[in-house]
Amino acid sequence: AQSVTQLDSQVPVFEEAPVELRCNYSSSVSVYLFWYVQYPNQGLQLLLKYLSGSTLVKGINGFEAEFNKSQTSFHLRKPSVHISDTAEYFCAVTRGTNAGKSTFGDGTTLTVKP
Amino acid sequence: SQTIHQWPATLVQPVGSPLSLECTVEGTSNPNLYWYRQAAGRGLQLLFYSVGIGQISSEVPQNLSASRPQDRQFILSSKKLLLSDSGFYLCAWSSGTGTKNIQYFGAGTRLSVL
Repeated sequence: AQSVTQLDSQVPVFEEAPVELRCNYSSSVSVYLFWYVQYPNQGLQLLLKYLSGSTLVKGINGFEAEFNKSQTSFHLRKPSVHISDTAEYFCAVTRGTNAGKSTFGDGTTLTVKP
Repeated sequence: SQTIHQWPATLVQPVGSPLSLECTVEGTSNPNLYWYRQAAGRGLQLLFYSVGIGQISSEVPQNLSASRPQDRQFILSSKKLLLSDSGFYLCAWSSGTGTKNIQYFGAGTRLSVL
């Protein structure tokens, strides 16, 4: 079985500051990793994904994440955040066998202050 | 392009009443379909997923049920709602093959059981 741990439930930052949202996973097999963003009262939207190849992946809205196999981490970063980045962010993992379902973390609420 | 529709957007129901939430997907065939529940301040809990018509897997024991009467239609039901059924319900779909289970979410249904 796989599991996902998002290490911070809430992250407050000031506008234009850098931010890192942390995600660790555990799995006995290879995995695919995802970050989703959820704006208030909306569904989730894919932010970026790691499937294979380069461990640094870039997504929408200036976000990027780095897959670190030895540390089983997939942290999300942005060098300069905007007010509009205020949302909840979910890390998710799918087994490499593509069993048809993903495991989601509990989410991190990013609040960007002016 | 593919779209996913989920309705209603909000619903207030008394305890003990029945429930029916509907989700339909357009622009794809034989999708994997999912129902999640998101309780306030918590992550996503996978309730049901389906890889084909009439094929439903239940992830957690509860008084909810799911059905897939057509290829692109997924229904979440209950005969008698409990207070604990309140939450934000999300439907999602993914392609059955080759896309590593990237999930696309509907806008969600906010259910309040009073």
